[in-house]
Amino acid sequence: EIVVTQSPATLSLSPGERATLSCRASQSVSSHLAWYQQKPGQAPRLLMYDTSKRASGIPARFSGSGSGTDFTLTISSLEPEDFGVYYCQHRTNWPPALTFGGGTKVEIK
Amino acid sequence: QVQLQESGPGLVKPSQTLSLTCTVSGGSITSGGYYWTWIRQHPGKGLEWIGYIYYSGSTYYNPSLKSRFTISIDTSMNQFSLKLSSVTAADSAVYYCVGDHGDFYYWGQGTQVTVSS
Repeated sequence: EIVVTQSPATLSLSPGERATLSCRASQSVSSHLAWYQQKPGQAPRLLMYDTSKRASGIPARFSGSGSGTDFTLTISSLEPEDFGVYYCQHRTNWPPALTFGGGTKVEIK
Repeated sequence: QVQLQESGPGLVKPSQTLSLTCTVSGGSITSGGYYWTWIRQHPGKGLEWIGYIYYSGSTYYNPSLKSRFTISIDTSMNQFSLKLSSVTAADSAVYYCVGDHGDFYYWGQGTQVTVSS
């Protein structure tokens, strides 16, 4: 069973700063790695899929990278609306099962 | 664009069976390539994948969860459903239905379920 670990648990940053969120898998995984943003009372919002592809309507300040066991979500310059909890999600090829990381909370410093 | 909407009772008594339905719009549930999925989120916690059903009826569940879950599909209604038997307070959560397209995911808005007498 693949375990997905996110770090840090909390990231305290100011608007305009760069945010780097890490997602690590317990074994080498495919590129089926997605990132979500969730705000209180809302469903998760898909940001990135297939490691580095931005979902429709997602600003270019969001980017994803990585391979093997280590993946990163980067927000180049934080906007006030970017604060929330971010989850990474891996999908196995077969059977197609989803595994989520525990989340990183991005908060205002 | 595919849209999903969960429906079901917000309050369920302990030991009863929880039944939730997800209505798919903007596309046919029999479109190939979609794994119709249920995910839940306990209060203040992370996301937990429950399982999926394919339009053919094949299912797969999270092996880490006890086998109280059943996912079914009604292609005539463009819906799929989740049943959870013998619920306890630990099953109180927001339940999401998701269309997993392999490289892309469509989420419903979620429905809050509380287990209480």
